[in-house]
Amino acid sequence: SQQGEEDPQALSIQEGENATMNCSYKTSINNLQWYRQNSGRGLVHLILIRSNEREKHSGRLRVTLDTSKKSSSLLITASRAADTASYFCATDNTGNQFYFGTGTSLTVIP
Amino acid sequence: GAGVSQSPSNKVTEKGKDVELRCDPISGHTALYWYRQRLGQGLEFLIYFQGNSAPDKSGLPSDRFSAERTGESVSTLTIQRTQQEDSAVYLCASSPLHRGSPLHFGNGTRLTVT
Repeated sequence: SQQGEEDPQALSIQEGENATMNCSYKTSINNLQWYRQNSGRGLVHLILIRSNEREKHSGRLRVTLDTSKKSSSLLITASRAADTASYFCATDNTGNQFYFGTGTSLTVIP
Repeated sequence: GAGVSQSPSNKVTEKGKDVELRCDPISGHTALYWYRQRLGQGLEFLIYFQGNSAPDKSGLPSDRFSAERTGESVSTLTIQRTQQEDSAVYLCASSPLHRGSPLHFGNGTRLTVT
């Protein structure tokens, strides 16, 4: 079963705006990762944040992690039409599974 | 080098037939994962391999599903007596180490059971 839940389920913004999506999870984790999935393709790794980190940046991406609330957020700044995709969080807990959330479908309107 | 390769990319089969899905991981990747993704939904974990050993088969939905892996190479996911509910995209991912390494995904096999 899936552990993570993203919200919103769908998000539509204008090009140039920022997009924020959230992920909540249920158990303790070693790290949390964000992935992007373009339509009809596999998932592509974006960024990993470890359980002892609170914030991480990579280009236009900013990820935060609040282990007390069991939640993470992904911020994409200055969005582009090419950012249109589904975004998933995945948690690596003490088991062997990577639990994926249900995903946020992002549409960036040119 | 090449990424994770899955074949076939699309498979249409009749209900009751067996299907075999193949995954070629990135060379040297020890860990290999199979996931199922139904239309518009998230990823459902099926099975995990460390080398050719499967320490976690907990996600296989029924005994019609099985998987094997040869060494640290190709893996096959077999679905016997397919049902319409098996229709989904089956994604394979590999990683060099288990903990903390990102997963590298193939583009999946889209299975349609008619």
